[in-house]
Amino acid sequence: NAGVTQTPKFQVLKTGQSMTLQCAQDMNHEYMSWYRQDPGMGLRLIHYSVGAGITDQGEVPNGYNVSRSTTEDFPLRLLSAAPSQTSVYFCASSNAGTGTQYFGPGTRLLVL
Amino acid sequence: RKEVEQDPGPFNVPEGATVAFNCTYSNSASQSFFWYRQDCRKEPKLLMSVYSSGNEDGRFTAQLNRASQYISLLIRDSKLSDSATYLCVVNAQYNNNDMRFGAGTRLTVKP
Repeated sequence: NAGVTQTPKFQVLKTGQSMTLQCAQDMNHEYMSWYRQDPGMGLRLIHYSVGAGITDQGEVPNGYNVSRSTTEDFPLRLLSAAPSQTSVYFCASSNAGTGTQYFGPGTRLLVL
Repeated sequence: RKEVEQDPGPFNVPEGATVAFNCTYSNSASQSFFWYRQDCRKEPKLLMSVYSSGNEDGRFTAQLNRASQYISLLIRDSKLSDSATYLCVVNAQYNNNDMRFGAGTRLTVKP
């Protein structure tokens, strides 16, 4: 049981490049979320999903896309990277209704 | 105004001390409350949920005051291993889809 896994661990991009951050969970959780964490800001919700085929926007969705084709996977796509997207990205999953979230180890992204 | 506010600290305390953190939230409709712990350069992990009547888990006690919209965490008999950042988390919607995090309070326990 691996829990929540994220790849890559680190990534450097140039402005304008696109990439996909991968997230997978093996706990059969309905809910999955993407957060970014910046110094002094706390974690901010980017997008979330309540089940396969269903996604919704969080606090800071601009510049990011998501899809949920399976229960296990919830990739986050950066369409055209900007320096303001330099951050640590965490994926999380939870059972419906519990509110208890399990986080992946994070992806550190630097956009030059 | 941030939806969830915490004193950033840092709190530097000796081993064995009792330390308390407070957190205020702005959404009076919030129903779910949590404390998470985050070690340096690691992911957040659930420390405990916060219930209306208050709850205790070993050396940790959480309290909720709905009227004043604040949550507290008390740590008794601090250990070196308690050094971490403590995150206050509140749901923004009734169905727990949208969780809002405070920026965290940093605790360092010294020998």
